[in-house]
Amino acid sequence: NAGVTQTPKFQVLKTGQSMTLQCAQDMNHNSMYWYRQDPGMGLRLIYYSASEGTTDKGEVPNGYNVSRLNKREFSLRLESAAPSQTSVYFCASPSSGGEQYFGPGTRLTVT
Amino acid sequence: GENVEQHPSTLSVQEGDSAVIKCTYSDSASNYFPWYKQELGKGPQLIIDIRSNVGEKKDQRIAVTLNKTAKHFSLHITETQPEDSAVYFCAASTKNTGNQFYFGTGTSLTVIP
Repeated sequence: NAGVTQTPKFQVLKTGQSMTLQCAQDMNHNSMYWYRQDPGMGLRLIYYSASEGTTDKGEVPNGYNVSRLNKREFSLRLESAAPSQTSVYFCASPSSGGEQYFGPGTRLTVT
Repeated sequence: GENVEQHPSTLSVQEGDSAVIKCTYSDSASNYFPWYKQELGKGPQLIIDIRSNVGEKKDQRIAVTLNKTAKHFSLHITETQPEDSAVYFCAASTKNTGNQFYFGTGTSLTVIP
């Protein structure tokens, strides 16, 4: 039981490049979330998926797209990366009781 | 939407002393208040949580208190140890917003041996 896994762990992009961050959970949870973490700003919700086949915008969705591929997987895509998207990205999945489990994070740098 | 404020942003204590971190929230509909510990290079881990029908919850050296009237909740760590050094985040959540979690900005706790 790995919980929540994320790939890659580190990534460097040039401005304008695209990439997809992958997330998977093996806890059979319905909901999955993507957050970004910036110094002094805590965790901010980018997008979430309350169940397979549904996605909704969070607090900071601009510049991102998501896909809930199946119950296990929720990917985050940057179509045209910008330096403002330099951040640490966390995928998370809450249980039905609300306890949220986080992945190890992806550290992204956009130059 | 919900606004969660957390204080202090940094906290240093001597080993064995207590540490207290405080959070306030704005949405009276929030009903779930977790606390997370984040060690360097890792994702946040849930350490304790409290729901709005409870005023206090304790787990060994960690306790959380909730005052719904004043809309604030606090994390208390007693007999601190060096391994307690980390960044701690509070959060608030409500089913009214699709179970979205709103996080505080974090407290960097340093326990000095």
